[in-house]
Amino acid sequence: AQSVTQLGSHVSVSEGALVLLRCNYSSSVPPYLFWYVQYPNQGLQLLLKYTTGATLVKGINGFEAEFKKSETSFHLTKPSAHMSDAAEYFCAVRGVTGGGNKLTFGTGTQLKVEL
Amino acid sequence: EAGVAQSPRYKIIEKRQSVAFWCNPISGHATLYWYQQILGQGPKLLIQFQNNGVVDDSQLPKDRFSAERLKGVDSTLKIQPAKLEDSAVYLCASSLGDSRITNTGELFFGEGSRLTVL
Repeated sequence: AQSVTQLGSHVSVSEGALVLLRCNYSSSVPPYLFWYVQYPNQGLQLLLKYTTGATLVKGINGFEAEFKKSETSFHLTKPSAHMSDAAEYFCAVRGVTGGGNKLTFGTGTQLKVEL
Repeated sequence: EAGVAQSPRYKIIEKRQSVAFWCNPISGHATLYWYQQILGQGPKLLIQFQNNGVVDDSQLPKDRFSAERLKGVDSTLKIQPAKLEDSAVYLCASSLGDSRITNTGELFFGEGSRLTVL
């Protein structure tokens, strides 16, 4: 079974500082990995995804993530944090069921951006 | 393109009462999911439909939760009777489904229905 572990339930950074949100996965097959963002009182929005090919994946809003098989990691980064990045971020791994895709989510990391 | 629609956005009930949530997926999406998101936790899959058939309901508390997708389009999730621990956001999501080679598994989520059980 696939699973993901997000290290740090809360991360606080200063505006303009580097954002690093950690995610490690466990998968018995080559994983498809995702990062979703959730703003208050809203649903989840896809930031980026890794399927195959290039291991450095670029997403929306300046975020990127690197798939590192040797470390079983898929950490999310952004060079310079903005106040609007404050939200909850979820890492997820895809499993395959008989009739469709199934995402298994981590417990989430709440990102706070301070002036 | 319209996104995933859910209603109601908010619902407050007392324990032992019943509640129903409705979801209309993105047009053409064969797969529909209901996730439960308890405060401070990641979403947990309750049930997954492929068209109008259930493909995974292993984590659905079947003694009180039920869901249907009769015509393979919109879906209803019901809780009867509700317990305090059912307080959560219920997220509906849809995807194209595994039948397409190019499908990489992206799920599209609605805004959720927030349930408070008193």
